[in-house]
Amino acid sequence: GQNIDQPTEMTATEGAIVQINCTYQTSGFNGLFWYQQHAGEAPTFLSYNVLDGLEEKGRFSSFLSRSKGYSYLLLKELQMKDSASYLCAVYSNYQLIWGAGTKLIIKP
Amino acid sequence: DTEVTQTPKHLVMGMTNKKSLKCEQHMGHRAMYWYKQKAKKPPELMFVYSYEKLSINESVPSRFSPECPNSSLLNLHLHALQPEDSALYLCASSSGPSGNTIYFGEGSWLTVV
Repeated sequence: GQNIDQPTEMTATEGAIVQINCTYQTSGFNGLFWYQQHAGEAPTFLSYNVLDGLEEKGRFSSFLSRSKGYSYLLLKELQMKDSASYLCAVYSNYQLIWGAGTKLIIKP
Repeated sequence: DTEVTQTPKHLVMGMTNKKSLKCEQHMGHRAMYWYKQKAKKPPELMFVYSYEKLSINESVPSRFSPECPNSSLLNLHLHALQPEDSALYLCASSSGPSGNTIYFGEGSWLTVV
């Protein structure tokens, strides 16, 4: 079956670092996406990993290990506006398989 | 320009109405998607168009009818919807169907009364 797991909710402090993990088991793999979604808005693309390793983009980094079926999204220097849901999605057999999303709460 | 434009942003329709959601992209993308998202749930795939042909239909009821007039446009025709169809409808596009970055529009909020 197809399965993507990520924590339901995480809390972090403004200015700190947080890592959101995602594990997956899918029948195919053509890449892993991370999206940010604020309440009431559409998902916004953050990152795309298709090869193992770390992709860095400003305050956000994403890591992929295909052999372990594992990815994480690392957010540095957290800001209040980073409070949102973060969705992990695997592209498998021409379809995006979505995790349920991780709600990130940032506290002052 | 990484923009996918959806109209209208908000739509309220009765169960006997016929309406359409529209989506447009000018990135030269050849794959376009319709997703449905209910509150606090991840998006659910409805349809995939690849090179202007319907390639995936995820067992969506016939009251939803997609149309791809050309490579830049994607419509979703709505007819005889039910209140449970109320949701955020997201259009997305990618350069091809095999996993390139997928960009989402801002979505159309649909309320069926």
